[in-house]
Amino acid sequence: DAGVIQSPRHEVTEMGQEVTLRCKPISGHNSLFWYRQTMMRGLELLIYFNNNVPIDDSGMPEDRFSAKMPNASFSTLKIQPSEPRDSAVYFCASGDRTSTDTQYFGPGTRLTVL
Amino acid sequence: GDSVTQMEGPVTLSEEAFLTINCTYTATGYPSLFWYVQYPGEGLQLLLKATKADDKGSNKGFEATYRKETTSFHLEKGSVQVSDSAVYFCALRSFSSGSARQLTFGSGTQLTVLP
Repeated sequence: DAGVIQSPRHEVTEMGQEVTLRCKPISGHNSLFWYRQTMMRGLELLIYFNNNVPIDDSGMPEDRFSAKMPNASFSTLKIQPSEPRDSAVYFCASGDRTSTDTQYFGPGTRLTVL
Repeated sequence: GDSVTQMEGPVTLSEEAFLTINCTYTATGYPSLFWYVQYPGEGLQLLLKATKADDKGSNKGFEATYRKETTSFHLEKGSVQVSDSAVYFCALRSFSSGSARQLTFGSGTQLTVLP
């Protein structure tokens, strides 16, 4: 199994630009999570999908952030417009019922907004 | 609400030293407890878990026992190696969270093992 795949691995953009982060979960997993990690705030859950449906987006910081999961094998996290304070590592994780709530994390996307 | 408190780092040890990273939690009911590890430049990986009181999770020489009476899940290893250098996260999954599979993570503890 290839594990959770995220792209790009690194993204550098200028303030005001749109940023799209992509995630392919492990095949067969029905839960998908987006996290943000910074030195100041640690690991924060942004949004959680179950069976492609957003269940809890209370962690999404503001309307500039949006996430979609059009099918079981793909999800995007979009920031529009981006700001320097959005600079962080963004992780995608997936899980299923048989793994007793274990989440499998991707390698992350390091976003730098100048 | 649910919360996880970890001992603050960074922790620096010499190779073959004994490791303890403290973790305590607050949750309603009977949460499942986890330790995740993050190696430099990588995502988090599950290290071990325990789903009920008095269970002991173990993996790669690491152990943690689910202590309901003290609401703790301390991570231990008898002899650390340089390759254990990483950030360690304690986490819980509570049935009271409202969302089926959300995990609540601690702030992480940076471990550096010197040769």
